[in-house]
Amino acid sequence: SSELTQDPAVSVALGQTVRITCQGDSLRSYYASWYQQKPGQAPVLVIYGKNNRPSGIPDRFSGSSSGNTASLTITGAQAEDEADYYCNSRDSSGNHLLVFGGGTKLTVL
Amino acid sequence: QLQLQESGPGLVKPSETLSLTCTVSGGSISSSSYYWGWIRQPPGKGLEWIGSIYYSGSTYYNPSLKSRVTISVDTSKNQFSLKLSSVTAADTAVYYCARRVTISRTSDAFDIWGQGTMVTVSS
Repeated sequence: SSELTQDPAVSVALGQTVRITCQGDSLRSYYASWYQQKPGQAPVLVIYGKNNRPSGIPDRFSGSSSGNTASLTITGAQAEDEADYYCNSRDSSGNHLLVFGGGTKLTVL
Repeated sequence: QLQLQESGPGLVKPSETLSLTCTVSGGSISSSSYYWGWIRQPPGKGLEWIGSIYYSGSTYYNPSLKSRVTISVDTSKNQFSLKLSSVTAADTAVYYCARRVTISRTSDAFDIWGQGTMVTVSS
């Protein structure tokens, strides 16, 4: 099995740029997907693949990957972006086993 | 549009089996493009993948839960189900079902989620 590591908490000033990272060996082989979760709600997919946004996700959300690290960047953070963010990817074994990062609580100041 | 809805008991006794069903509406569970998964979230904690199933019945389980988990699919009812045996208080969580789409050999994602259902394990 493998793990995905995220910083527990990150803060950003309103309108500034923030990067949330996810580290794990499996990210050398597989792209991460990123989910936003607000209190009491189900997670919502915000980024998948190399840098793809589902319909309805603002273009201030973007993704990137380098080596064993995947990143979610919010350019011009808004108050409504305050939420928990989770990365997810396949396990290093590559046989459809999956793993989530521990999550990052984003605070918009 | 496609929607997923979890259903099942909200309270399960310790040592018993937790059983949940996810009903897929607005689309077919038998599409070759998708897997179907269960994810859970204990109160105040992060997301944990439980397992996934393909419409053909192929299953993949979290190694940490594999000995207790069974996921099955009923294509005639457009449903898939989760059974988790020998539950303890540590299995108390919100349980989500979700659709997993494969974009490429190296990329997939849970693109549609159910609203989640809270299951409490208590006597």
